[in-house]
Amino acid sequence: LAKTTQPISMDSYEGQEVNITCSHNNIATNDYITWYQQFPSQGPRFIIQGYKTKVTNEVASLFIPADRKSSTLSLPRVSLSDTAVYYCLVGDKGTTDSWGKLQFGSGTQVVVTP
Amino acid sequence: DSGVTQTPKHLITATGQRVTLRCSPRSGDLSVYWYQQSLDQGLQFLIQYYNGEERAKGNILERFSAQQFPDLHSELNLSSLELGDSALYFCASSPQGGLPQHFGDGTRLSIL
Repeated sequence: LAKTTQPISMDSYEGQEVNITCSHNNIATNDYITWYQQFPSQGPRFIIQGYKTKVTNEVASLFIPADRKSSTLSLPRVSLSDTAVYYCLVGDKGTTDSWGKLQFGSGTQVVVTP
Repeated sequence: DSGVTQTPKHLITATGQRVTLRCSPRSGDLSVYWYQQSLDQGLQFLIQYYNGEERAKGNILERFSAQQFPDLHSELNLSSLELGDSALYFCASSPQGGLPQHFGDGTRLSIL
């Protein structure tokens, strides 16, 4: 089971870059790293997913070192609307699921202020 | 729009009652997941189905049950409701399995 560890909270100002690191020391060979964003009273929203090195989309970048025991979600130039809870999950894309991998941790509360 | 539809959006009922929450996954997705989110416990994984069969089970109480039908929609049945069951219940789906990709807007259940 790839248990994940994230900081509880992070504060930032508008326009700054926010980097959230997730530790997953027990990541398995077939596991991917997935990040979600959740606003209050809404369902989590898939942000980005990666396996190794770097992945970038229109919302964020995901950096994964060679040992894959951690990953960093990077939010460039945040705005007030990026205030949310961010979760990382680690699991495979296939059908070999386990409940432990599907369990969300506490996530990281990001607060962006003017 | 995630493509996952949950009904009803809100549900108010009394202790001891039974309710059914419904979820239609995103078109083409075979796997459905149920999560419970209360203020003090965060997102708790309940159960996952893949193409009609139970795939993984999490912290789901015996008073709760779920199933996925041939048309792939899923229902979560909650019985003998207690005050502590008040929460947001989210359904999610994914194409094959693995981690959930698309979440619905949730059903807010309030037990009076």
